[in-house]
Amino acid sequence: EVQLLESGGGLVQPGGSLRLSCAASGFTFSSYAMTWVRQAPGKGLEWVSIISGNGYTTHYADSVKGRFSISRDNSKNTLYLQMNSLRAEDTAVYYCAKRSCGSPSCPFDYWGQGTLVTVSS
Amino acid sequence: DIQMTQSPSSLSASVGDRVTITCRASQGISNYLAWYQQKPGKVPKLLTYAASTLQSGVPSRFSGSGSGTDFTLTISSLQPEDVATYYCQTYNSAPFTFGPGTKVDIK
Repeated sequence: EVQLLESGGGLVQPGGSLRLSCAASGFTFSSYAMTWVRQAPGKGLEWVSIISGNGYTTHYADSVKGRFSISRDNSKNTLYLQMNSLRAEDTAVYYCAKRSCGSPSCPFDYWGQGTLVTVSS
Repeated sequence: DIQMTQSPSSLSASVGDRVTITCRASQGISNYLAWYQQKPGKVPKLLTYAASTLQSGVPSRFSGSGSGTDFTLTISSLQPEDVATYYCQTYNSAPFTFGPGTKVDIK
């Protein structure tokens, strides 16, 4: 059974940093690209970042480019999102999700339960 | 970057009604379009991909269609458990933009 479990969320002051983790199990982690999607309170889904299965290729939404960094440790089956220079508008539930296949053109079929990040003084 | 729009933003329909939601891409995306369902307080769930392929386990009353820039998600007979917000998403190249969502509830 595929499981994705996010952790690392919490309250952080504007300008601060936080690192999110997503522990994966139930599938061959290194074979799938992984992504982060966020949802501000009462708002829609916003794609944040994606990383290829081998970790060599990454992409970011313009809203986080230069501040967030996605990475993965395939030996630990874990995905990360390093978030720096946090702003109030980064407040959201952050979900990790996996591609449904090994191809670059597949949607995201399994999602974690999410971790809440609150940026406030 | 590709922009995604959805209409309507919300709708209210009766149990058993046929419901159609539209998604439009600002440029052609072939059939790289997925629909997700998010029930209140829950995690998004993949409903359809490749515009019209039903994800395993999804009830057959859900169907998707379209290609290029115009897509639709249809619920053939609305059920109480379908109360949710529905999002379209393009997924073939970054950024993997979501539509703003369509909130569906029961009249």
